Amino acid sequence: DTAVSQTPKYLVTQMGNDKSIKCEQNLGHDTMYWYKQDSKKFLKIMFSYNNKELIINETVPNRFSPKSPDKAHLNLHINSLELGDSAVYFCASSQDRGQGSTEAFFGQGTRLTVV
Amino acid sequence: AQKITQTQPGMFVQEKEAVTLDCTYDTSDPSYGLFWYKQPSSGEMIFLIYQGSYDQQNATEGRYSLNFQKARKSANLVISASQLGDSAMYFCAMREGDGNKLVFGAGTILRVKS
Repeated sequence: DTAVSQTPKYLVTQMGNDKSIKCEQNLGHDTMYWYKQDSKKFLKIMFSYNNKELIINETVPNRFSPKSPDKAHLNLHINSLELGDSAVYFCASSQDRGQGSTEAFFGQGTRLTVV
Repeated sequence: AQKITQTQPGMFVQEKEAVTLDCTYDTSDPSYGLFWYKQPSSGEMIFLIYQGSYDQQNATEGRYSLNFQKARKSANLVISASQLGDSAMYFCAMREGDGNKLVFGAGTILRVKS
């Protein structure tokens, strides 16, 4: 009954590889996000999608490409992985109620390690 | 400029005592929401409590309460009767108006001592 699920939980890969992280939410929310948590635990938004449309792209390198086949899914594909991409990536979703009142529900995170 | 500031990198509290985690924010939008999340060592992000900018009363959720001081732009989290399981990283976050993102502070690590 997981509300926001992302796979895999752990991903170890070599520099230069291409990898994908999948995310699905069963909450019926219309907005989904990708956040990156760096080694200092700082959380920063990467992308936001609303009803399958890209709303926010926070100056993320072009090697990162989100794809939303429907509003319940938001996948993250990363090309040519670099050492600096090592981080925990969180998928999240929310239902906009206006006036900043919308909490986001997070997946369990994907720990990506690039070696 | 930092939108969310958490000035306490780490805090210790004795079990069963109350603890306050500080958060100040910066926005010119009259409509915003403030949130607290807990991240235990297992890594998941757990939503704790929400305070809207127009709310007249401080938010409470069980042992969590939010000390909202609008004029000071602060939204401190108060955890009463601390438990060992409260040991975790705590993040303050803000969403402005109809903005499509949460902006997070740097977090505070809380350790509860027995």
